[in-house]
Amino acid sequence: DQQVKQNSPSLSVQEGRISILNCDYTNSMFDYFLWYKKYPAEGPTFLISISSIKDKNEDGRFTVFLNKSAKHLSLHIVPSQPGDSAVYFCAASSGSGGGADGLTFGKGTHLIIQP
Amino acid sequence: NAGVTQTPKFQVLKTGQSMTLQCAQDMNHNSMYWYRQDPGMGLRLIYYSASEGTTDKGEVPNGYNVSRLNKREFSLRLESAAPSQTSVYFCASSVSRSRETQYFGPGTRLLVL
Repeated sequence: DQQVKQNSPSLSVQEGRISILNCDYTNSMFDYFLWYKKYPAEGPTFLISISSIKDKNEDGRFTVFLNKSAKHLSLHIVPSQPGDSAVYFCAASSGSGGGADGLTFGKGTHLIIQP
Repeated sequence: NAGVTQTPKFQVLKTGQSMTLQCAQDMNHNSMYWYRQDPGMGLRLIYYSASEGTTDKGEVPNGYNVSRLNKREFSLRLESAAPSQTSVYFCASSVSRSRETQYFGPGTRLLVL
């Protein structure tokens, strides 16, 4: 059973516009959420995170929004640039330490920025 | 600062062969992790080491063993490789367990024939 879901396998956005990537989760124990960006043949690189005590975190062009009641988070990229074309993974962890530590990942969304 | 390094970058094995994937980090992190990524899937946790001297199973540990050699190094061993273990393997590290950002290596592509 997938605990972190990214329902859009791919997303195409025009350069300069806003990119919105969505992520849903089912495990109520998750309290820390991260977004990673991955280029082909490279490891995932950390982009931005948010703790469950917040509903928004901003870092430059990247903003993550968390809606705990809906178990939903989204990543906004404004403005979108060609270098943003990559696969974006949503990941979650539970601080309780119950079960295995580590991150639970979604399947990823391939973002394509069109010139 | 190299961050997290992994060797080899690519490996081809025959079914039944063994090999060890190496991982090292120079960030003085306490916790280290091994993940695998299959096509169209997210990363899945194989094993982790919360601190030097401890290791624990993740979501998909069958067919693998790990060794936390010291604080810097965490290796993953396939004793008898199977085609189902064809995957890309990523090592990661974090300051401590849980609620901490994990930093990933570049990955090892493994093909088992």
